[in-house]
Amino acid sequence: NAGVMQNPRHLVRRRGQEARLRCSPMKGHSHVYWYRQLPEEGLKFMVYLQKENIIDESGMPKERFSAEFPKEGPSILRIQQVVRGDSAAYFCASSLAPGDYGYTFGSGTRLTVV
Amino acid sequence: KQEVTQIPAALSVPEGENLVLNCSFTDSAIYNLQWFRQDPGKGLTSLLLIQSSQREQTSGRLNASLDKSSGRSTLYIAASQPGDSATYLCAVKTGANNLFFGTGTRLTVIP
Repeated sequence: NAGVMQNPRHLVRRRGQEARLRCSPMKGHSHVYWYRQLPEEGLKFMVYLQKENIIDESGMPKERFSAEFPKEGPSILRIQQVVRGDSAAYFCASSLAPGDYGYTFGSGTRLTVV
Repeated sequence: KQEVTQIPAALSVPEGENLVLNCSFTDSAIYNLQWFRQDPGKGLTSLLLIQSSQREQTSGRLNASLDKSSGRSTLYIAASQPGDSATYLCAVKTGANNLFFGTGTRLTVIP
């Protein structure tokens, strides 16, 4: 069991480009969560997805950010027209089910916008 | 809205000492509380998960307690080692799909 896999580990984008972050959950987990960690700040919830469904996107910025978790393949967090303020570590977590199950986190993608 | 506070923000101790990290939360209606470790530039490693019906969990030199009614949890680390140096994060799950994180305690264990 390889755990939660995120790629790339590091991503550098120029302002205005698109960033695509990938997350493969643990085997058997169908619940995926994305979190963002800004420098010197705590982790903040962005979005919760199940296969083919967005369950809760209350933490996602209204513009430029989108997420999907298709039937086949990894979950994708997409940031369009990146700005310097998007520079952060983006973490993905998965769980077996919602409720009282714990989360397993990936190693994160560190996005730097130059 | 749930708020999670961790005290102290940073802690430096000599090797071998026992230490306690504190976490408090404002809304006691939680599913569970989870302690994580984060090394610089790395991801989160889950240390202990305490369900809302439990009082404590133990793993090796780590012991976490939960007092839901008072909104508090402690992480006790026995016989600290330099390899324990990291940031320790407390997170509470309220509702089915959201973890609220504290800003962490940065621990340094001095050899």
